[in-house]
Amino acid sequence: EVQLVQSGAEVKKPGESLKISCKGSGYSFTSYWIGWVRQMPGKGLEWMGIIYPGDSDTRYSPSFQGQVTISADKSISTAYLQWSSLKASDTAMYYCARHADYLYYFDYWGQGTLVTVSS
Amino acid sequence: QTVVTQEPSFSVSPGGTVTLTCGLSSGSVSTSYYPSWYQQTPGQAPRTLIYSTNTRSSGVPDRFSGSILGNKAALTITGAQADDESDYYCVLYMGSGICVFGTGTKVTVL
Repeated sequence: EVQLVQSGAEVKKPGESLKISCKGSGYSFTSYWIGWVRQMPGKGLEWMGIIYPGDSDTRYSPSFQGQVTISADKSISTAYLQWSSLKASDTAMYYCARHADYLYYFDYWGQGTLVTVSS
Repeated sequence: QTVVTQEPSFSVSPGGTVTLTCGLSSGSVSTSYYPSWYQQTPGQAPRTLIYSTNTRSSGVPDRFSGSILGNKAALTITGAQADDESDYYCVLYMGSGICVFGTGTKVTVL
């Protein structure tokens, strides 16, 4: 069974750094892209970017390029989303999802990680 | 930057049919955009319904169908049920591995 399990909720202050995780299981982690999706409170879904853990090839939405870093550690089947300096506007639910290559869609989803940034 | 547009809301009667669309701020949607559709209820992670225009994801009832209608991608719910009341999002492939979510449609069943 394919599963994506995300790390728990975080409460941070503006300017702090953060790295959240997404652990895949039940499939070959290095053979599928993993993506991240943002959902700000009361708003829609936003496609942030994807990474191919096999070779760490990463693609970012222009809206998120330079704002976040997506990485992966294939030795532990885990993808990451990180911020070097959080802003209040980073407050959101973040989902990871497996991204099917060549068909360009998300087929399995994590449960979400709520990030709250507040002074 | 290209905006992917969806109707903000739709209302459908139980047993009725509703068609949601997914368009581009400039240009037409074709199968080359690999449109996919997702359902999200409040407090839940999204659920994948349709990919590659018209292929239903595993376990998705056949009352959900995808197509290209004119210059847009479309999701049709035939025989709407109460638990279809959700937000629906499309995704389009823009090239170079990048995709974009649509603005989302809130469907009410009443």
